Amino acid sequence: DGGITQSPKYLFRKEGQNVTLSCEQNLNHDAMYWYRQDPGQGLRLIYYSQIVNDFQKGDIAEGYSVSREKKESFPLTVTSAQKNPTAFYLCASSPYERGSGNIQYFGAGTRLSVL
Amino acid sequence: AQTVTQSQPEMSVQEAETVTLSCTYDTSESDYYLFWYKQPPSRQMILVIRQEAYKQQNATENRFSVNFQKAAKSFSLKISDSQLGDAAMYFCAYKDFGNEKLTFGTGTRLTIIP
Repeated sequence: DGGITQSPKYLFRKEGQNVTLSCEQNLNHDAMYWYRQDPGQGLRLIYYSQIVNDFQKGDIAEGYSVSREKKESFPLTVTSAQKNPTAFYLCASSPYERGSGNIQYFGAGTRLSVL
Repeated sequence: AQTVTQSQPEMSVQEAETVTLSCTYDTSESDYYLFWYKQPPSRQMILVIRQEAYKQQNATENRFSVNFQKAAKSFSLKISDSQLGDAAMYFCAYKDFGNEKLTFGTGTRLTIIP
């Protein structure tokens, strides 16, 4: 089955610790995205990548880092610099064609909490 | 910067009835896309419907349809014959023609009353 797999489903972070959220897709999509969702708010874009080895900051990139070494993988690292990491994190992917309304498909999300 | 506003934090509707969810947006662009996404209790975002701004005809997908008013910058979602499985958070989203970024509203929680 084609889709987007996020792991783990739940993750706990200790003070000063970096944690990495995994996102894998087998849809052969070029573009991938990371969003953060807080209660009472919509999704906010953290980072996105349109092609391998290239990525751009979104609206709330501070305290986060990403890599895009393979087309199908776009891991997100929540660093110790992110002081309020507790949130629900969603990964998405889409076929990339500039100027088109490419639909973004989402994974099931990772809930990150601070211990 | 583009903004998306959903002024109804919660809505409820009787099963089999029709409900309309509101969305307004602010943009200076003329070419863009609008979306409605559904987030059920599983929390996975699912696309409900998409509208291209250059199309005057309102998009429809089975029981879901939109009322797109470009001049008023309004993009409401109508759900006909509401079913229990329609209970979810619904998010309106905006995307520029030449930009990959989606801007989301804060969502409307829809409850279906049996």
